[in-house]
Parts: sequence; structure tokens; C-alpha cells
Amino acid sequence: QSALTQPPSASGSPGQSVTISCTGTSSDIANYKYVSWYQQHPGKGPKLMIYEVNKRPSGVPDRFSGSKSGNAVSLTVSGLQAEDEADYYCAAFGASQLFGGGTKLTVL
Amino acid sequence: EVHLVESGGGLVQPGGSLRLACAASGFPFTNYWMNWVRQAPGKGLEWVANINIDGSEKNLLDSVRGRFTISRDNAKNSLFLQMSSLRVEDTAVYYCARNIGFETFDYWGQGALVTVSS
Repeated sequence: QSALTQPPSASGSPGQSVTISCTGTSSDIANYKYVSWYQQHPGKGPKLMIYEVNKRPSGVPDRFSGSKSGNAVSLTVSGLQAEDEADYYCAAFGASQLFGGGTKLTVL
Repeated sequence: EVHLVESGGGLVQPGGSLRLACAASGFPFTNYWMNWVRQAPGKGLEWVANINIDGSEKNLLDSVRGRFTISRDNAKNSLFLQMSSLRVEDTAVYYCARNIGFETFDYWGQGALVTVSS
């Protein structure tokens, strides 16, 4: 079982694209089917943005997309907007700890 | 519209007890597994516990097993977390969350702050 590692921070300018990675400590993350991503603004509860690696819940803008490649899963935010500034967490069913450590996304 | 509203947080001394409640509305509560997830101040998310639809199956984080109990009252659309022998390291905002399968949480409450301090 992998622990999940995320970069502590990421940033981009409005209109740009940013990708946040979530890597496993062993190769088994490549087999994880149930990976989700959550957005959390300060003082608020998390919001589901992506589930099952690349599916978007109703109401989530298509600027948000998920993917998996090798030993990592990723969240890409395209066309960055000011309201995308938040903390983002990956989660994987089967990982030794459900959630990654989180990435603070700053919109410059 | 789905709503999850936590209550029961507060300040408690180490070794004390507290009971959190989560009132659910806007969906068939009896159809979903429910979870508690916590977040220590300035830290990330940590899964704490889950419970199946009829309360017959429960899972708990190793560090809280034997101290915390998760339960639900389907007649009242409510989820509970009974916390005892509280430690300073249990200080966190506790969120209830609806589980749509494989530990994917599609709705979260606003959280209840539990502070364990002398």
C-alpha cells in the first residue's frame, strides 16, 4: 500500500494551466481505480472535484480534469481563475493513508 | 439539496469526552455509508471512521480505535461520533461526509471544531 505524496505548493497566472501531482511510494498506485480530488477554500469543507481518476461530478467546470500516468495521478486546472486558489487533496481507495498531504494552489 | 450539519464541538480537557452529531437532509440517508474526516489546525485531511447503511459495519482509524465510536440513527437521519479519552492530538475540525463508494465523498458538512486542551 502506498502513501500519497503531493507537492506542498503550486502556482500559475490567470488563464494558464497548472497540474498537481499525487504520487505513490510504491508502484501500486498505477492500479488504483478510485482516485478522487478535493478542493478546499479557507474555513470551508472540502468539495469533490474529480472521482474515479478522471470523472467530474455535476457542476464542476470542465476546466478541471484528472489523469493517471505511471506511478502518479494528476489534477489539471486549465484557464486558471482567481477562485481556483485553494488547497487541493488527492485521495485513493486502498492507499495506506486515504488522503495526500495537500497542495496549496496560488493564482498569481 | 443535500445538507450535512455538524454540531457538538467545543473545548474539552485531556481525558474528557465529547459527542459530535451530523444532521443529514435532502437525500435518502439510509442508502449511504457515512464518514467522519478530521483536519488538525493548519494540517491536511485525515479519515477517522466510517459506518455502513444499517450500522452493522464500522471502521476506525487505528489511533482512535477503542476511544471513539461511530453510530447512526436512520430514523432521525443523524450520524454520531462519540469521543472519549480525548488527547491533545485529537484537536481538529471534524467533518461528516457522504460516501458514494470506495471512500469517495461527494458532500461534506461545514465542520465542528474540537479543541482538547487543559
